[in-house]
This record gives sequence, structure tokens and C-alpha cells, in this order.
Amino acid sequence: EVQLLESGGGLVQPGGSLRLSCAASGFTFPNYAMNWVRQAPGKGLEWVSLLSGGDGSTYYAGSVKGRFTTSRDNSKNTLYLEMSSLRADDTAVYYCAKGGRIAGTGIDYWGQGVHVTVSS
Amino acid sequence: DIQMTQSPSSLSASVGDRVTITCRASQAIRNDLAWYQQKPGKAPKRLIFGISSLQSGVPSRFSGSGSGTEFSLTISSLQPEDFATYYCLQHNDYPWTFGQGTKVEIK
Repeated sequence: EVQLLESGGGLVQPGGSLRLSCAASGFTFPNYAMNWVRQAPGKGLEWVSLLSGGDGSTYYAGSVKGRFTTSRDNSKNTLYLEMSSLRADDTAVYYCAKGGRIAGTGIDYWGQGVHVTVSS
Repeated sequence: DIQMTQSPSSLSASVGDRVTITCRASQAIRNDLAWYQQKPGKAPKRLIFGISSLQSGVPSRFSGSGSGTEFSLTISSLQPEDFATYYCLQHNDYPWTFGQGTKVEIK
């Protein structure tokens, strides 16, 4: 059974930094692309980033490019999202989401999400 | 960026009704289209992938169709557990983009 467990959320001041983690199990983590998707309070879903399982290619939404960095530690089956220069509009539930063996094959499973609040 | 225009934004329906939700892409996306269901406070769940392939474990009352830039999700006979918000996702080109969502409410 695929399981994705996010952690690291919380309250951070504008301009601050935060690192989210996603512990994965139930599949061969190094072989799969992994995503971050967020959802602001009362709003829809916004894809944030993808990190491929093979060559380590990364892709980002324009709204986070240059501020967020996604990485993975395959020895720990863990995905990370390093967020910096945080703004109020980064406030959201952040979901870790599993992709396919090939980076472009969409999202099949989601974690339960972690709350990030950017406020002074 | 590819824009996904989803309609309607909300609808009211009764148990047993047939419901159709539509997503229009701003350019052709081949078969790189999926549908998700999200209930309040929960993570999204994939229903359909590749336009029309049913995710394992999803009831057969859910179906997807379309091609090119026009896609639909149909629930053939709405059940009480289907009241939720539904999203389409295009994963043909980066950045991937979701539709705005359709909230299905009880009439």
C-alpha cells in the first residue's frame, strides 16, 4: 500500500524559510517521479513542483520558481520541499503526491497534507 | 501555460441523477488528462487517468471521455458518497495545471 506522510509545516513569518518532508513507503521510491501540490484555504489545487525519479530533473510552477527547491534522499525514501522568501500567498495545505515511472505520467497517490501558514 | 477551464463551478443534484463535468484545455493535451475527487479536509483521490481509464477500486458509475481540448467526467447515477469537489488535471506540459474545480452539492 502506498503511503505518503508529510511533516514540517507550521507558522512562519513573511520572508522566512521552511522545509517540508514527505516519507514514502509501499513502492520503490527511487524509480518514481514525485510532486508537491498545494491548496490555499478555500481554493483549488495548484501544482508546485516535480522531481523525476531517473535523471533528477526538476520542474516548478512560475509562482515558486527561484524560491522553492525540491529534492529527494532515496536512501531514506524521503522527498523534501525547501521554501524560502515565503509570502502570505504561500499559505496553503501542501500535499506530497506520487507520480509515475516516467515523469510526465501524472499523479496517482496523495499524502494527507501539511499546513503552512505565512503570517506575522 | 495551458489553461484548464472547468465547468460548472458548482451544481446541485439529487441521488440517482446523471452528472457531467467538463474541462476545456487551451491547447491539445493528447491523453494527458486525469480527474480527481476531493472531500472536505481530505486529500484528492484519482478517479480517471488517460482521459477514460478507471482507477482501480473506483465504481464504474464514473467515466471519462473526450479528446483534443474537450474532456468530460460523468457520474451515471449520483450516490450520497459522491458529493464532493472534482478537479481535472493536465500533465501534458509544465507547469501542470488543474481546473478550478466543480463542487457537487445535494439538491
